Amino acid sequence: AQKVTQAQTEISVVEKEDVTLDCVYETRDTTYYLFWYKQPPSGELVFLIRRNSFDEQNEISGRYSWNFQKSTSSFNFTITASQVVDSAVYFCALSDSNSGYALNFGKGTSLLVTP
Amino acid sequence: KAGVTQTPRYLIKTRGQQVTLSCSPISGHRSVSWYQQTPGQGLQFLFEYFSETQRNKGNFPGRFSGRQFSNSRSEMNVSTLELGDSALYLCASSLGTGSNEKLFFGSGTQLSVL
Repeated sequence: AQKVTQAQTEISVVEKEDVTLDCVYETRDTTYYLFWYKQPPSGELVFLIRRNSFDEQNEISGRYSWNFQKSTSSFNFTITASQVVDSAVYFCALSDSNSGYALNFGKGTSLLVTP
Repeated sequence: KAGVTQTPRYLIKTRGQQVTLSCSPISGHRSVSWYQQTPGQGLQFLFEYFSETQRNKGNFPGRFSGRQFSNSRSEMNVSTLELGDSALYLCASSLGTGSNEKLFFGSGTQLSVL
């Protein structure tokens, strides 16, 4: 079965702290895609990062970095030196052939960054 | 480049009524997907249209339907509204050429069913 679990419901940090958002996924496919989206209070989901199952290389993009580990089926996302504008709900999502490659989202992690 | 536009932004209906939501994708995008977001169930996929054809469908009852026009604009319709249909309905567009494409979302239509 296809499933995405974000165990952290809410996280609160003080500005400039680093924060890691956890994501664990389940899929039977060998080809699949993982995403992180951000949903600010305005409502629209904003694409952040994408990884396919063939590429476990972890990267850093500005203040964002991600850690993809197939061995533990995890796709964690880290924000370095958090800012107030990072406050939003963050969603991890999986797409594979089981869903016709539609996005299967986790329940989301609400991040609050306070000054 | 204009983003994904959804209208109306807010909608209030009563049980038993039907509703139509509209989505205008980013220019050049041929795929439009619809998602329902509720506090209890989270984000759930409704359906996807590409070149006026439904290409994928989620696990929703037949009361939920959609269509796409030749200019890629899409509408979704919910008939015989139930209280549980109250949700934020999000539309997303993409080129539709690959299974790992990033989606561009609109701000959604907040539907309240009374």
